[in-house]
Amino acid sequence: QVQLVQSGAEVKKPGSSVKVSCKASGGTFSSYAISWVRQAPGQGLEWMGGIIPIFGTANYAQKFQGRVTITADESTSTAYMELSSLRSEDTAVYYCARGPAAAGGNPLYYFDYWGQGTLVTVSS
Amino acid sequence: DIVMTQTPLSSPVTLGQPASISCRSSQSLVHSDGNTYLSWLQQRPGQPPRLLIYKISNRFSGVPDRFSGSGAGTDFTLKISRVEAEDVGVYYCMQATQFPPIFGQGTKLEIK
Repeated sequence: QVQLVQSGAEVKKPGSSVKVSCKASGGTFSSYAISWVRQAPGQGLEWMGGIIPIFGTANYAQKFQGRVTITADESTSTAYMELSSLRSEDTAVYYCARGPAAAGGNPLYYFDYWGQGTLVTVSS
Repeated sequence: DIVMTQTPLSSPVTLGQPASISCRSSQSLVHSDGNTYLSWLQQRPGQPPRLLIYKISNRFSGVPDRFSGSGAGTDFTLKISRVEAEDVGVYYCMQATQFPPIFGQGTKLEIK
């Protein structure tokens, strides 16, 4: 059974950075895409970016270009999402999600397994 | 970016009765490889999203057969044949045919 386990909740100051991890188990890590999706309080789902570990290149939504970095460590089956220049609007639950994808990461096909979510609160 | 529009935004349903959610995309979701990457997810209160349906009509592993998906091109539907109490939550359609993946705004299913 595939499981994605994320790191714990974070409280950050505006202007700082946060790095969230997502450790996969029970399946093949490298050849599936790992995406990061966020959900602001009471709001819907927003895709931020994704990576296929075996290829190593990440794709990002234009909204987050320059502020988000997604990486993956095949040796530990862990993906990371780092978001910088945090502002209050970045307060959200951040999910990692796995799924099959085309070789270049586009299209991503669908997201079949999700992490439990990590709450990031940005507050002064 | 493609715009995904779900209707209704809220759906009160009686237990044991059917429910239907519509999702419309601003552009065709047929990919050049012939597939249509339209999926449906369920998010129960306080839980992460869960995949129900992928590529329009394929039920994911473990999903009850009361859930079904249909549609083509720009119009898609999720149907629940007989709503159960555990189906309460928010349902999202998602397109992944065109970059970036986009979710619908969500439909809240509640029991009358």
